Amino acid sequence: DSGVTQTPKHLITATGQRVTLRCSPRSGDLSVYWYQQSLDQGLQFLIQYYNGEERAKGNILERFSAQQFPDLHSELNLSSLELGDSALYFCASSVVGLAGDTQYFGPGTRLTVL
Amino acid sequence: AQSVTQPDIHITVSEGASLELRCNYSYGATPYLFWYVQSPGQGLQLLLKYFSGDTLVQGIKGFEAEFKRSQSSFNLRKPSVHWSDAAEYFCAVRNNAGNMLTFGGGTRLMVKP
Repeated sequence: DSGVTQTPKHLITATGQRVTLRCSPRSGDLSVYWYQQSLDQGLQFLIQYYNGEERAKGNILERFSAQQFPDLHSELNLSSLELGDSALYFCASSVVGLAGDTQYFGPGTRLTVL
Repeated sequence: AQSVTQPDIHITVSEGASLELRCNYSYGATPYLFWYVQSPGQGLQLLLKYFSGDTLVQGIKGFEAEFKRSQSSFNLRKPSVHWSDAAEYFCAVRNNAGNMLTFGGGTRLMVKP
């Protein structure tokens, strides 16, 4: 158990809908990362937050957004869902988000878009 | 841009045999390198990491990896594989800003009894 929690574990929804994925980082970690794992794209970095502020963006679609709240939990919002958004979404956390940190991953949320 | 290549998509070994999983990276500066393991239906668990210093690093579950700058490689090894090692293994490199991990495509390990 990495100490990173993600809810829900599974999510099934329809095209065009909007969903919210939630992540709680390890105790003491200030930085949160979101990754997407799909069959065709592999594991891809989406976005990073540090202490409530966006720090880095990767291959995140405009239909997707995220935020980190004062209690440091984070939410990833996916809207206008398409079939291709079906994937496993991971959250990771680290202490401060610098190169010397280790990222610890949560168990993921499996999103299925029908 | 940084990149990671894991040349072997699938590897099958017999239980008790040795294992080496290959990883090649492309990165302009000194890399921060990681190996993660993903068991079916599970998240990613960190096996080991290399930041600097000794090029042979030890990890959990009896795994080790060797950083070879001249070959841009960071291969994962285990002297004797157990059936419980069957999983998918990912090599990753992290940029100096510490923002993102770039993962290889993964190697799926199967263990024969």
